Amino acid sequence: EIVLTQSPGTLSLSPGERATLSCRASQSVSSSYLAWYQQKPGQAPRLLIYGASSRATGIPDRFTGSGSGTDFTLTISRLGPEDFAVYYCQQYGRTPFTFGPGTKVDIK
Amino acid sequence: EVQLVESGGGLVQPGGSLRLSCAASGFTFGTYAMNWVRQAPGKGLEWVSGISRSGADTYYADSVKGRFTISRDNSKNTLYLQMNSLRAEDTAVYYCAKSPRDILTGSSHWYFDLWGRGTLVTVSS
Repeated sequence: EIVLTQSPGTLSLSPGERATLSCRASQSVSSSYLAWYQQKPGQAPRLLIYGASSRATGIPDRFTGSGSGTDFTLTISRLGPEDFAVYYCQQYGRTPFTFGPGTKVDIK
Repeated sequence: EVQLVESGGGLVQPGGSLRLSCAASGFTFGTYAMNWVRQAPGKGLEWVSGISRSGADTYYADSVKGRFTISRDNSKNTLYLQMNSLRAEDTAVYYCAKSPRDILTGSSHWYFDLWGRGTLVTVSS
């Protein structure tokens, strides 16, 4: 099983600041089959990024995914008030498909 | 409207059974792989099970293998999860989630581009 580790656990930032979230895999993720999701309290997750760097439909360009192999990054260039949430990475290169534990981005 | 609507959650005793359903609408259900993903209260996301477009291939997390069965009825646009031998640690919100297809190859990519709102399963005596 591929174990995903996300850091930091919590990121405290102000609106307008840049957020950098890390996702590290215990083994190489084939074909960069890595996705990122955003989840707000009481809501289902929303797909942000797939294939490590492709934005999903309707996702603003302030969200950028990068990385390959075992190291991946989600960058939010300028945090809007609606971006404070929990972010999960997920690998889908090999079953079982696994999620990271999440990074909470909260308001400083 | 493109949507997934889960139902069938509730309170069940340890060792009991429950069947979840997920009704799909607004897209051609039978052309997409489908999944169940769960989230225990205050915890992260856990992929539970996936099923291919035809239903011929199924996949499970080790934590549910042998106890849960995923199935689908493409004529009814519905996904199911039969859960047997339930344990307290199965308590969670269960989400139904759709996996997209590669436009060129037609193969499924097992990330989740459409989610339902979830149904809560509580296993307790």
